[in-house]
Amino acid sequence: DIVMTQSPDSLAVSLGERATINCRSSQSVLYSSNNKNSLAWYQQKPGQPPKLLIYWASTRDPGVPDRFSGSGSGTDFTLTINNLQAEDVAVYYCQQYYSTPFTFGQGTKLEIK
Amino acid sequence: QVQLQESGPGLVKPSETLSLTCTVSGGSTSSYYWTWIRQPPGKGLEWIGCIYYTGSTNYNPSLKSRITISIDTSKNQFSLKLSSVTAADTAVYYCARDPGFFDSSGYHPGLFDYWGQGALVTVSS
Repeated sequence: DIVMTQSPDSLAVSLGERATINCRSSQSVLYSSNNKNSLAWYQQKPGQPPKLLIYWASTRDPGVPDRFSGSGSGTDFTLTINNLQAEDVAVYYCQQYYSTPFTFGQGTKLEIK
Repeated sequence: QVQLQESGPGLVKPSETLSLTCTVSGGSTSSYYWTWIRQPPGKGLEWIGCIYYTGSTNYNPSLKSRITISIDTSKNQFSLKLSSVTAADTAVYYCARDPGFFDSSGYHPGLFDYWGQGALVTVSS
């Protein structure tokens, strides 16, 4: 199985500032057939199911604000949230879909400082 | 707007079989992959498995011997059965739509764009 490791486990950021969450996979998730990274990011607010934010490491799902951006390649990825808003408080998960079983990171809890 | 809703018993006895159904509205199960994911209380997400509308399945090897996922496109539903449950199977169970993606070798699962609200299943005597 591909192990996904996120850092940090939690972070607190001031409103209007930038939050950065990292994700590392135990092996490359670069999909050779299309040269894209099989990496997605989800946001989970308390009491709600996860919501897909980003796929192919950097493609925002429709309706996701452009303050959310994803980057990285191979085994190292980053989710960046610019101009942090109060509604961004949540747990964020990365997930690889390079191979089954699909696996998630342990989650990063984002709070307001 | 696609909506998914899990249904089934919230309490299952140890060694028995957990059964959940996901009803899809606003869309058809006659396309895409359909997935089950679980989340133990206060913990992270675990992919259980998925089914293509044709009935082809892909299971997490850690659970493969105990799970069965089936689909009934006439009812717009798909289901999960997990046998021989223990307390470790206590979790919120989510159903989700997987739009999949195409590449040169075919159509593949792996993304989860619409989710149900989740069903808490507790394993306890």
